[in-house]
Amino acid sequence: SQKIEQNSEALNIQEGKTATLTCNYTNYSPAYLQWYRQDPGRGPVFLLLIRENEKEKRKERLKVTFDTTLKQSLFHITASQPADSATYLCALSATGTASKLTFGTGTRLQVTL
Amino acid sequence: KAGVTQTPRYLIKTRGQQVTLSCSPISGHRSVSWYQQTPGQGLQFLFEYFSETQRNKGNFPGRFSGRQFSNSRSEMNVSTLELGDSALYLCASSDLGGQGYGYTFGSGTRLTVV
Repeated sequence: SQKIEQNSEALNIQEGKTATLTCNYTNYSPAYLQWYRQDPGRGPVFLLLIRENEKEKRKERLKVTFDTTLKQSLFHITASQPADSATYLCALSATGTASKLTFGTGTRLQVTL
Repeated sequence: KAGVTQTPRYLIKTRGQQVTLSCSPISGHRSVSWYQQTPGQGLQFLFEYFSETQRNKGNFPGRFSGRQFSNSRSEMNVSTLELGDSALYLCASSDLGGQGYGYTFGSGTRLTVV
């Protein structure tokens, strides 16, 4: 069955450092991979989308890589700030059902001073 | 530009009752999706509507249904509520429905079944 794995343990990082979050998937051929941020009691907020034929995408302090051979995406936040503390979710969708997102369970990021 | 609006924000219902949740997408967005979020299962896709037609459906029982109106507003209905239906129900909208663009989520409706 399809499986999307994110590190369930919280990631604690010092302000100013680069945070790297991992998303691994199995039994899936995604057309798109997306990253969202979610704060407690709120809906997810879209951050970045990367297509299957793209290797890397950047937006300000954020960078996403996508390796379809390893079936893995890495999400980087450079120069982390306490305001970046949140749960980060990866989501995949397949060709033909691109509107149906399958989410990972998320990784909680805590940035400390 | 107003965001995705979900009403009500909180709801308490008794087992066996039915409930209707509402979602108003961003103006101009034709795709509306619904998700259920629980601590144990995370975010799970319920269904997606595009221009009033259900285009994709998740693996939920028939007690969960939805519809979309001509103005793109959407409702989802859960009949014969069970305790396990307690969750945060999230609505998301997109202009093209997943065709290479991200989704905008609402803040959700917190449903508690007692």
